[in-house]
Amino acid sequence: KQEVTQIPAALSVPEGENLVLNCSFTDSAIYNLQWFRQDPGKGLTSLLLIQSSQREQTSGRLNASLDKSSGRSTLYIAASQPGDSATYLCAVLEGTYKYIFGTGTRLKVLA
Amino acid sequence: DGGITQSPKYLFRKEGQNVTLSCEQNLNHDAMYWYRQDPGQGLRLIYYSQIVNDFQKGDIAEGYSVSREKKESFPLTVTSAQKNPTAFYLCASSGSREQYFGPGTRLTVT
Repeated sequence: KQEVTQIPAALSVPEGENLVLNCSFTDSAIYNLQWFRQDPGKGLTSLLLIQSSQREQTSGRLNASLDKSSGRSTLYIAASQPGDSATYLCAVLEGTYKYIFGTGTRLKVLA
Repeated sequence: DGGITQSPKYLFRKEGQNVTLSCEQNLNHDAMYWYRQDPGQGLRLIYYSQIVNDFQKGDIAEGYSVSREKKESFPLTVTSAQKNPTAFYLCASSGSREQYFGPGTRLTVT
């Protein structure tokens, strides 16, 4: 059974720091991996989608990598800002429909 | 504006009452999903639908029901059989294997 883990559960960093969020999964037979951001009391916003054949995707200050063989993905945030404070979730797609979510990393960027 | 709408944002009900949560999308996606989110837990799949007039149970379907009569709409009914219905409910749709989420409905049952 696929399990998705995100460590740490919470992280506080000073503004301007570069940081890495981790996502690991137990079964490498995934179709893709998606990173989301969730603000308190809100829905999830898609940040980056990495297909299983890809190694990384970039959008602005965000870069996500995928290593299927080791069951890992990282989300790199450059030059963090207070506005980046949120919970970040990763999800893997198994087969054609089933998304398995991690429990998220709660990020706080201090001004 | 393309997206997913959920209504209402907050919903309060008395124990023993059924309640229906609305989810509408104008993204022309075939697949739609309902998740439940509780504090400290990941998203758990309640029901999903890959096409109109067809839907399947997810991991925690007991006490919930859905319908999919139109491509754009996927309402969720929380029945009195659901033992612990107070939670944040999220609707999603997917196209090209990428998921998009609505803003969520927070249901409180007392």
